[in-house]
Amino acid sequence: IAGITQAPTSQILAAGRRMTLRCTQDMRHNAMYWYRQDLGLGLRLIHYSNTAGTTGKGEVPDGYSVSRANTDDFPLTLASAVPSQTSVYFCASSDSGASNEQFFGPGTRLTVL
Amino acid sequence: QQQVKQSPQSLIVQKGGISIINCAYENTAFDYFPWYQQFPGKGPALLIAIRPDVSEKKEGRFTISFNKSAKQFSLHIMDSQPGDSATYFCAASLYSGTYKYIFGTGTRLKVLA
Repeated sequence: IAGITQAPTSQILAAGRRMTLRCTQDMRHNAMYWYRQDLGLGLRLIHYSNTAGTTGKGEVPDGYSVSRANTDDFPLTLASAVPSQTSVYFCASSDSGASNEQFFGPGTRLTVL
Repeated sequence: QQQVKQSPQSLIVQKGGISIINCAYENTAFDYFPWYQQFPGKGPALLIAIRPDVSEKKEGRFTISFNKSAKQFSLHIMDSQPGDSATYFCAASLYSGTYKYIFGTGTRLKVLA
């Protein structure tokens, strides 16, 4: 089934630990995005990638890093997690050459204690 | 200048009624305005979108009204149904290599049967 997969579905993490959230898409979209969703704040862009090999910072990039080694995968890493990073994380992708629509994955619920 | 303000935060409507959600933006360079629908436990999905060269777009029971001079746009859901109960996000986007979205804070809609 074409779409975006995210792993893990949920995770509880001790503060200070390193964590990588995985995102894979099979639509061959060139652009990918990471958002965090917090109640009352909506969705905020963390990092994005226009195409494989390039990345850029969004609204709230501090404490997060990304890489885009190929078209399909766009992992998000928290080098040293803090409680304020407790959130639901969504990965999205778009084919910026065809339309503006962003397709979202099912999300990862992360709790940092 | 990059904010998108969305109201109301929550909305309760009777079945068959009209649901109206409003958004306002500041940056006149925004050129694509989507609405996303999100059900609990799921990622957001595109519902309807508009560009600033038209004042209205209708798809089934869903209509976007766009007022470029006021920098406002709204979603109207006609004949609201219990199945429409979800969280709705407006967004505005600006092209810089790809379309990065600025999302509103979301409106939780509940349609009573």
